[in-house]
Amino acid sequence: QKEVEQDPGPLSVPEGAIVSLNCTYSNSAFQYFMWYRQYSRKGPELLMYTYSSGNKEDGRFTAQVDKSSKYISLFIRDSQPSDSATYLCAMVSSGGYNKLIFGAGTRLAVHP
Amino acid sequence: DAGVTQSPTHLIKTRGQQVTLRCSPKSGHDTVSWYQQALGQGPQFIFQYYEEEERQRGNFPDRFSGHQFPNYSSELNVNALLLGDSALYLCASSLAGKTEAFFGQGTRLTVV
Repeated sequence: QKEVEQDPGPLSVPEGAIVSLNCTYSNSAFQYFMWYRQYSRKGPELLMYTYSSGNKEDGRFTAQVDKSSKYISLFIRDSQPSDSATYLCAMVSSGGYNKLIFGAGTRLAVHP
Repeated sequence: DAGVTQSPTHLIKTRGQQVTLRCSPKSGHDTVSWYQQALGQGPQFIFQYYEEEERQRGNFPDRFSGHQFPNYSSELNVNALLLGDSALYLCASSLAGKTEAFFGQGTRLTVV
């Protein structure tokens, strides 16, 4: 079993839809949770960073962490065609020296 | 402010050859990590350098080695290349004690 599970999609939604992306994990030591966006043939771009459980909002993006369920989510409101990319969740354990453990990524396509 | 820069962007090598990839971290960052991303997969941690020492290593063979220079830039070396080494190699920089990691655009290595 992988430490971090993420549905690879692809996920196709119409412009303006609310998108929900999710990851589950098995390692209780994970304390830091990140979402990266990766356009085709580019490096990952840090979108959201949260510590422990709770919600964090930044513009159209909201990240949620539920440590009791070992489940994290990224919501995108009013999705745009420019949001079409692969979204990667990543986690770091406490004392993990920034060693990121990634999910496989979910491909998102937002069509006009 | 220059972000993380990697060179070269693309590279084609023959099986058995050796390759060196280079990374300059984001200004002010002192920690460099290397990741391998196969097509359709999330990045996999190779190793991390801090204060010119390898601080942590992932599950990669000794054919993968690295170096960090006094100016915090880093190199990744891969010896005896295999077809399976074909991937996007990503460099991430961070500040010691901070979890957020920022990625370069990657080097796409093709082994033929």
